Amino acid sequence: QKEVEQDPGPLSVPEGAIVSLNCTYSNSAFQYFMWYRQYSRKGPELLMYTYSSGNKEDGRFTAQVDKSSKYISLFIRDSQPSDSATYLCATPTNGNTGKLIFGQGTTLQVKP
Amino acid sequence: NAGVTQTPKFRVLKTGQSMTLLCAQDMNHEYMYWYRQDPGMGLRLIHYSVGEGTTAKGEVPDGYNVSRLKKQNFLLGLESAAPSQTSVYFCASSYSLEGSGWTGELFFGEGSRLTVL
Repeated sequence: QKEVEQDPGPLSVPEGAIVSLNCTYSNSAFQYFMWYRQYSRKGPELLMYTYSSGNKEDGRFTAQVDKSSKYISLFIRDSQPSDSATYLCATPTNGNTGKLIFGQGTTLQVKP
Repeated sequence: NAGVTQTPKFRVLKTGQSMTLLCAQDMNHEYMYWYRQDPGMGLRLIHYSVGEGTTAKGEVPDGYNVSRLKKQNFLLGLESAAPSQTSVYFCASSYSLEGSGWTGELFFGEGSRLTVL
């Protein structure tokens, strides 16, 4: 079992829909979580990060962590065609090296 | 400011051939990483470096070697390429984690697409 699991999709939604992207993780010691966005044929870019439990909002994006169920979510409100990309959740491994464990990534398509 | 630059962007190899992927960053970052990305597998760490002259193994290091002779460069070598090494390779860099304030941000290049026949 991978330490971070993510449904690869693809997920297709109409423009304006609310999108929910999810990951589960296995190690309760993980406390810091990130969402990266990767456009086709590009490298991933950091979208949001959140620490421990709770919500973090940035414009149309909300990141949520539920430590009790080891569940990470990214919500996109009023989705746009420009949001079409692969979204990867990630968390640092143990140690002070910046190594990240990534989920498999969920491919999202927002149709006009 | 170019960020992280990978060369070459595309390469086709025959089984058994060798090659080197070059990663260069101009952000004066201490840490550098090589990941591979395969369908359904996400990004997996091959090797990483926490400073000039240092390297360490990641999750999937077999069949690869790395060198970090200069702070700005991180080389990934395949000594004898195998079809299982067909993948998209991403280099990333990060500033030092010492102190507080690290956001988990890795800066990625645009990838090098390698096909081994």
